[in-house]
Amino acid sequence: DSGVTQTPKHLITATGQRVTLRCSPRSGDLSVYWYQQSLDQGLQFLIQYYNGEERAKGNILERFSAQQFPDLHSELNLSSLELGDSALYFCASSVRLTGGPSTDTQYFGPGTRLTVL
Amino acid sequence: AQTVTQSQPEMSVQEAETVTLSCTYDTSESDYYLFWYKQPPSRQMILVIRQEAYKQQNATENRFSVNFQKAAKSFSLKISDSQLGDAAMYFCAYRSGGGGSQGNLIFGKGTKLSVKP
Repeated sequence: DSGVTQTPKHLITATGQRVTLRCSPRSGDLSVYWYQQSLDQGLQFLIQYYNGEERAKGNILERFSAQQFPDLHSELNLSSLELGDSALYFCASSVRLTGGPSTDTQYFGPGTRLTVL
Repeated sequence: AQTVTQSQPEMSVQEAETVTLSCTYDTSESDYYLFWYKQPPSRQMILVIRQEAYKQQNATENRFSVNFQKAAKSFSLKISDSQLGDAAMYFCAYRSGGGGSQGNLIFGKGTKLSVKP
């Protein structure tokens, strides 16, 4: 168990709909990363938040957005869903200010499998 | 831009034998980290081993070790005494250095490892 939690585990929805994926980082971790894993694109970085602020953006579509709340949990919002958005979405966390080495190592949650019909 | 290449889509090993998975990367940076992640059928991303580029000594974690050749930009993973539970997809990943608050992972396409009893 990495200590990172994601809900829901599975999500089935229709094209055009909007969904929200939730991530709780490891206790004390300040950074949250979102990744998308699909058969054709592999594992791709979407967006990173650090202590509530957006830090980096990757291949994230304009239809997608995210935020990190004061309690450090993060949500990834996907709207106007298309068939091609079906994928496994991972959240990862890192950067503890206190305790332990390897603050740069990212620990992954179990993922949310999104199916768009 | 940095890239990570895993040239072996699939590998197979006999139980108790040793196998080496290959990874090469391209970067102009001198400060970076390299990782191997394991993704079993459960889809959970599990950290196997990490290597800091500034360290000449190859990282080792129990039966897992790496051969880090910085000049050649090569980062192979050796699994000794292979076990059935080692069967999984293995991803090589790169992360830029520059402090713990930044730096998403860049993944290779993965190598599917099968372990034969």
